[in-house]
Amino acid sequence: QVTLKESGPGILQPSQTLSLTCSFSGFSLSTYGMCVGWIRQSSGKGLEWLANIWWNDDKYYNPSLKNRLTISKDTSNNQAFLKITNMDTADTATYYCARRAYTYYGFWGQGVMVTVSS
Amino acid sequence: DVVLTQTPVAQPVTLGDQASISCRSSQSLVHSNGNTYLEWYLQKPGQSPQLLIYKVSNRFSGVPDRFIGSGSGSDFTLKISRVEPEDLGVYYCFQATHDPNTFGAGTKLELK
Repeated sequence: QVTLKESGPGILQPSQTLSLTCSFSGFSLSTYGMCVGWIRQSSGKGLEWLANIWWNDDKYYNPSLKNRLTISKDTSNNQAFLKITNMDTADTATYYCARRAYTYYGFWGQGVMVTVSS
Repeated sequence: DVVLTQTPVAQPVTLGDQASISCRSSQSLVHSNGNTYLEWYLQKPGQSPQLLIYKVSNRFSGVPDRFIGSGSGSDFTLKISRVEPEDLGVYYCFQATHDPNTFGAGTKLELK
C-alpha cells in the first residue's frame, strides 16, 4: 500500500534553511504521471500549496514564497525533498507531503511540525 | 493567482441532515486539455487531509456515495446527504488547473 512520511528538524532559528524529507513506499516517482507535492498548514489555519515534483522532474513552485523553495527527488531511494531558505517565524507550520497521481492527492503523510524560534 | 472562495465559513448541522458547501473560483478552472482539476478534501480534527472528490465529481476510492460533487467553469458545490459523525471537520476545495495551485480557506462542518 502507499505510505508517505515526512521528517525534519522540528525546530530551527530564523534565517536558517529548512530541509524536509518525504520517504514513501508503494509507488515509484519514476512512474509516468506520479508526483509528490508539499503542502503546509499554520496552527489553526488553512492549507497552503508549496511545490510539486513530477516523475519527469518537472517542478512547480508557489511564487508567494519568492524563490525560497527548492524541491528535488531521489528516485532510487523513494524520497522527495523540500528546502526552504531564510526561514521566519511565519513559516512555523505543519508540513505535509502527498502523492499526486496526475489528477489528485490521494495519499498524504502524517505531517511534520516545524517551529521557527530564536 | 486563482482565488477560491468557499461559503459558508461554518456549517452547523444536525446528524442526518444534508449539507452543502460552495466553492467559487476567480477564473474558470477548465484546463486547456478540457479537464477541470477541482478537488475536495476533508480534514478531520488532528488528522491529515483526505481526498473526497477529484475532477469536480469523481469520488475517490472508498468515499461514500452520500458525498456528491458538482459544478462547472468557476462554480462548484459539494453536497453531503445524511451527515454522519465521521463527516465532521473542515472541508477544502483545491484547484490544480492553474499555477500556482490553490486551496480555498475551508468550511467547518460542525454540530448544531
